[in-house]
Amino acid sequence: RKEVEQDPGPFNVPEGATVAFNCTYSNSASQSFFWYRQDCRKEPKLLMSVYSSGNEDGRFTAQLNRASQYISLLIRDSKLSDSATYLCVVNRGGSYIPTFGRGTSLIVHP
Amino acid sequence: DAGVIQSPRHEVTEMGQEVTLRCKPISGHNSLFWYRQTMMRGLELLIYFNNNVPIDDSGMPEDRFSAKMPNASFSTLKIQPSEPRDSAVYFCASSLQGDYGYTFGSGTRLTVV
Repeated sequence: RKEVEQDPGPFNVPEGATVAFNCTYSNSASQSFFWYRQDCRKEPKLLMSVYSSGNEDGRFTAQLNRASQYISLLIRDSKLSDSATYLCVVNRGGSYIPTFGRGTSLIVHP
Repeated sequence: DAGVIQSPRHEVTEMGQEVTLRCKPISGHNSLFWYRQTMMRGLELLIYFNNNVPIDDSGMPEDRFSAKMPNASFSTLKIQPSEPRDSAVYFCASSLQGDYGYTFGSGTRLTVV
C-alpha cells in the first residue's frame, strides 16, 4: 500500500457544484496533514492544514478520519479559478517529513 | 519576505555535464527539503535537512546526486554527471518544524539532452 493515495481524477464539474476529494494514508502514527494546490507549471501552495476536529476556510472544508486513515477536502460553489491539482500531504509518523500524494485534478467548466 | 528562492529557473544541459541547483530558504525556517517532480512519479522527496544537518537522504537516487547546506540561508543540489532521466522539475521547500506547512520555491526545470 502506498504511503499516501489519491484518486488522480480528473474531476470535471460545472461552476457552482460541490466536489469532494479523499486521500488515504498508511502510517497510523502520522500527526500532521495538509492540502496543497498546484497550478499547471507552478509550485505547490498550501491550501489548508487539516485538524482533528475538522476545519473550514470559506468554501473549503477539510476533515480527518483517523480510524479509517483518510482525509477529505470539500469544495462548495466551485469557481473556474478552482481548476488545479490538489495534493494531499501527510507527515511520516513521528517526524516532520512530508509525503505528497500524486494529486487529484479538478476541472471546473462554465 | 521574498519566499523560497531557487535558481536557475530553467537549465538545459548536455548529458555528462555537472548541474548545480541553488536554494535560499525563508529566513528563520529550520527545515529544508529538496523534491523532484515528474509526470510519472509525482513529487519525490530527495533529501531533508534540519538545522543545516542532513537527516534523511534515502530519496537521493544514486551517488550522482549530492546536496549540501553550508549555512541556514543556502543549499545546493548537485548532479554529476547528469543523465537524460534526470530531466524533471526540482523544488526546494522550507518550513518551521513542519507543523505549519511547507513553502515551495518556484522550482528549477531541468532538461538533460
